[in-house]
Amino acid sequence: NAGVTQTPKFQVLKTGQSMTLQCAQDMNHNSMYWYRQDPGMGLRLIYYSASEGTTDKGEVPNGYNVSRLNKREFSLRLESAAPSQTSVYFCASSEDITSTDTQYFGPGTRLTVL
Amino acid sequence: AQSVAQPEDQVNVAEGNPLTVKCTYSVSGNPYLFWYVQYPNRGLQFLLKYITGDNLVKGSYGFEAEFNKSQTSFHLKKPSALVSDSALYFCAVNIGGGSARQLTFGSGTQLTVLP
Repeated sequence: NAGVTQTPKFQVLKTGQSMTLQCAQDMNHNSMYWYRQDPGMGLRLIYYSASEGTTDKGEVPNGYNVSRLNKREFSLRLESAAPSQTSVYFCASSEDITSTDTQYFGPGTRLTVL
Repeated sequence: AQSVAQPEDQVNVAEGNPLTVKCTYSVSGNPYLFWYVQYPNRGLQFLLKYITGDNLVKGSYGFEAEFNKSQTSFHLKKPSALVSDSALYFCAVNIGGGSARQLTFGSGTQLTVLP
């Protein structure tokens, strides 16, 4: 039982390049999330998927797109990377979307945009 | 809007001493409170949560937290700190009846346990 896995662990991009961050969970959770973590700012929600087939914007969605490929997988795409997107990205999942549900996090992807 | 504050960016404690990491919150309703720990270059790991019931919540690795409604606080505690407890700790709050997407994180407290 691996929990939440993310690939890649590290990535360096040039401004304007695109990339997709992959996330998968094996806990049979319905809901999945993408966060970014910046120093001194805690975690901010980029996009989430309440259930398979649905996605919605979070607090900071500009410059990102997501795809809920199936119940297990939720990917985050940067179409044209900018230096402001340099951050650590975390995927999380929870059994459901209610506020009592605990979110479980992946190990993160450290992205640098030059 | 809900918010959470971790008033101390850094907490230092000697190994074997009790530790406290502070958290205060603001919500317009019943609060649901969470603590997570992040070790270097790792993801966040869930420690414990308060939803309802007993104000003292016990969690993983010997940690506990006390919900205090009158002081709007949810401080994380451990009776005897270990060097391996050194990590970044995040408090998070949500609101009863809300959505998990509304989970709001504090800015984190770096705990250093000195040998």
